[in-house]
Amino acid sequence: GAGVSQSPRYKVAKRGQDVALRCDPISGHVSLFWYQQALGQGPEFLTYFQNEAQLDKSGLPSDRFFAERPEGSVSTLKIQRTQQEDSAVYLCASSWGGGEETQYFGPGTRLLVL
Amino acid sequence: DQQVKQNSPSLSVQEGRISILNCDYTNSMFDYFLWYKKYPAEGPTFLISISSIKDKNEDGRFTVFLNKSAKHLSLHIVPSQPGDSAVYFCAAHTGTASKLTFGTGTRLQVTL
Repeated sequence: GAGVSQSPRYKVAKRGQDVALRCDPISGHVSLFWYQQALGQGPEFLTYFQNEAQLDKSGLPSDRFFAERPEGSVSTLKIQRTQQEDSAVYLCASSWGGGEETQYFGPGTRLLVL
Repeated sequence: DQQVKQNSPSLSVQEGRISILNCDYTNSMFDYFLWYKKYPAEGPTFLISISSIKDKNEDGRFTVFLNKSAKHLSLHIVPSQPGDSAVYFCAAHTGTASKLTFGTGTRLQVTL
């Protein structure tokens, strides 16, 4: 596709449930990023992949959060045993490489944990 | 520790006038700065960027100014149009760490 796509666009989960969020980056983009955006805040970095390698996961808030990109293209962000504080918009972005390049964002997945 | 700050949560400007959105940063290692525009229920859309080796970058109605000594950048939109009404985020990164650090955003409303 022409841009970054994410699915699902909306997800409602019961507390304790596991969720999986998918990101399809722009074709050919080497770098892929996940961000979390709470209401009224700017996006905050979660993790970064260069191809299939996860080079930085310093922003993941707990070990309940796990991300993968096994073939260097599609990525999945998994949240285990969701908590109410996980409610946020999860944004995926991709770029050509790891330098001074523009990151292009998907529409986000809005997660609501009840 | 907010490394990128947008101190004005909102701004209202008349159509045709200039909009000036401000951003301050504290991390002197930042060397690349970007502005994103965000409509409700959409992801941020890239608008314009500037490298730390420059002090100005212009693209049509949008100009970004960087004052490194003051650790301050600003986005000028002229003339402002109703379609510019959105939330604007300032973001920065260092060459060695690709992750973006965002400000909290400024909501711009362009009135008729």
